[in-house]
Amino acid sequence: ELKVEQNPLFLSMQEGKNYTIYCNYSTTSDRLYWYRQDPGKSLESLFVLLSNGAVKQEGRLMASLDTKARLSTLHITAAVHDLSATYFCAVDIIFPRKLIFGQGTELSVKP
Amino acid sequence: KAGVTQTPRYLIKTRGQQVTLSCSPISGHRSVSWYQQTPGQGLQFLFEYFSETQRNKGNFPGRFSGRQFSNSRSEMNVSTLELGDSALYLCASSPGTEVQETQYFGPGTRLLVL
Repeated sequence: ELKVEQNPLFLSMQEGKNYTIYCNYSTTSDRLYWYRQDPGKSLESLFVLLSNGAVKQEGRLMASLDTKARLSTLHITAAVHDLSATYFCAVDIIFPRKLIFGQGTELSVKP
Repeated sequence: KAGVTQTPRYLIKTRGQQVTLSCSPISGHRSVSWYQQTPGQGLQFLFEYFSETQRNKGNFPGRFSGRQFSNSRSEMNVSTLELGDSALYLCASSPGTEVQETQYFGPGTRLLVL
């Protein structure tokens, strides 16, 4: 069975601290997405990682992909309250064509 | 470009009823996928439509069905609603021309079944 597992599932951080969210997956894929979801809202695309070794950064967030280890990370640098949200990774499956999502990591950044 | 739109945004139904949700993709996108999000099961793939044909289907009962029109708009129907069908239903669109493409999600329809 195809699985995408995130950890931690809940993360409470203080502002200014750094932390990493991990996304492990059990199938071969060279495309992985990170999404952000605010309460009651839809999914906002953060990063598309297209190949092994891909690294992308936007503001205080940096995502990387290691297809050999089947691992992606989302690193948070100097967290701020505005980053509080749930973060999902999703693996792009070719056949059948669909996204398989992780459970989500609920991030709470406290002042 | 306008984003993916979904209507209605909120729905309240009772058990046994049926419901139809609508999704309009980004202009030029021909692939529409539907996902169900619940607290217990997370985000799960329902089905994908491309050029009015269902291309892929997730592991959901036959009560869940969909269709796509010639303008790429898609509808999803759930018959004989159950309490467990309460969820946020998200649709996503993509061009549909590549094997792997970024999918853009709509705002979702929140369905509550009483």
